[in-house]
Formats: sequence, C-alpha cells, structure tokens
Amino acid sequence: QAVVTQEPSLTVSPGGTVTLTCASSTGAVTSGHYPSWFQQKPAQAPRTLVYDANNKHSWTPARFSGSLLGGKAALTLSGAQPEDEAEYYCLLSYSGVYVFGTGTKVTVL
Amino acid sequence: QVQLVQSGAEVKKPGSSVKVSCKASGGTFRSYAVTWVRQAPGQGLEWMGGIIPIFGSSNYAQKFQGRVTIITDESTTTAYMELSSLRSDDTAVYYCARGNSGYRREPPSNYYYYNMDVWGQGTTVTVSS
Repeated sequence: QAVVTQEPSLTVSPGGTVTLTCASSTGAVTSGHYPSWFQQKPAQAPRTLVYDANNKHSWTPARFSGSLLGGKAALTLSGAQPEDEAEYYCLLSYSGVYVFGTGTKVTVL
Repeated sequence: QVQLVQSGAEVKKPGSSVKVSCKASGGTFRSYAVTWVRQAPGQGLEWMGGIIPIFGSSNYAQKFQGRVTIITDESTTTAYMELSSLRSDDTAVYYCARGNSGYRREPPSNYYYYNMDVWGQGTTVTVSS
C-alpha cells in the first residue's frame, strides 16, 4: 500500500498564508489521484474542504484553496483565522483504493 | 442538507463482532457512495471501505478484507458497518461519510469512485477483555 506523507506541523500567524503538502510514496501526485483535503478539530468529526484537487464545497471558506504543486497535492490557507487551528488530512485515490495522509497540525499563533 | 447520525458507543470483547449504524436524515444513500473511516486514539484517519448501492459496488481496504462488511438498507436510509474478529487494536472512533460516486474509465484501470462529502459524528468502539 502506498504511503501518503504530510508535514507533521506548521505554524501560521493570524492573517498569514500557509501551504500544506501531500506526497505519495509511489511518485508524483497527479490529478488522477483526485486529492481531497479534510479539516478535523479536537473531538470533532472531519469536515471535507476540497475534493478532486481544487474543488470546494459550499461550506468551504474562500480562504482555503487546493492545487497540485511540484509533484504534490497542496492546500493553501490565505488569511488564517484562529478558528483554522486544526489537524488537516489529505486523501489520495489509487484507482479507487484510498489512502489518507499522515496529517498536519496547523497552529495559528 | 443531509445529516448522518451514527449509533452509540460500543464495548466489545476480543473475538466478537460489532455493527455500527449510520442513518441519513434529509436524504438517501442509493446513488451515493457510503464510506467508513476509523481513527484509533491519538492517530490519523484510516480508510476502511465503501459501498455504492445503485451500482451494487463495494470496495474494501486490503487490511480489512474478509473482516468488514458494509451494507445499506434503503427502506430505513441506514448504512451499516460490521467488523468481525475484533482485536484490541480495533479500538477506535468509526465514522461514516456520504459523497458523490461514479465510474471512471482510465485504462488500464476502470473503477468506481467514493467521494466523502458529509460525515457522521462518529461512534466509539472499545475492544477490551
């Protein structure tokens, strides 16, 4: 099974910008991996932010955006808010078999 | 907006089975993917598998093959995940999720896809003797 790796932790200042990345042990992440991104706050269920690399749901704040960057999937948070402090997980599809990333703890400080 | 409401916490003995339910209110499962994800204490998310009722398709992570069964009951708009031969390391919070589904033709791989859009609140399963 592929291993999907994320930064363990990142810190961003309020109002600042941070980019989280998602790498695959099998090689470059492409649109064919249909990356998704999820936000999870302590003691809460995950919430889906982005799917198919760069598509947002109606509930996704505009400050979040997904992309492919340098062979990885990326989630950029522009204009961080205190409520964005959370764990973020990516998910990659390997022809219909899904693997979550290791997660990134984002601190807004 | 559909909401997914899961059954309550369970405590099970090693070797037994657990069946967790996920009821959709304000929607159905029929043409959507229903996926189950678990999270062990202090750990990350782990994809277990899913089902797409309208296609009769199901797909399970290799790790859980033979031990997990996911079904839906359209008459009650409820999905179920049953995990058998429980071990202590199955102690986790189990989540259901519903999302768009479809079929992708990407030679040489053709497969169904299981999006996760809306999530249930989670069900804690504790396996202990």
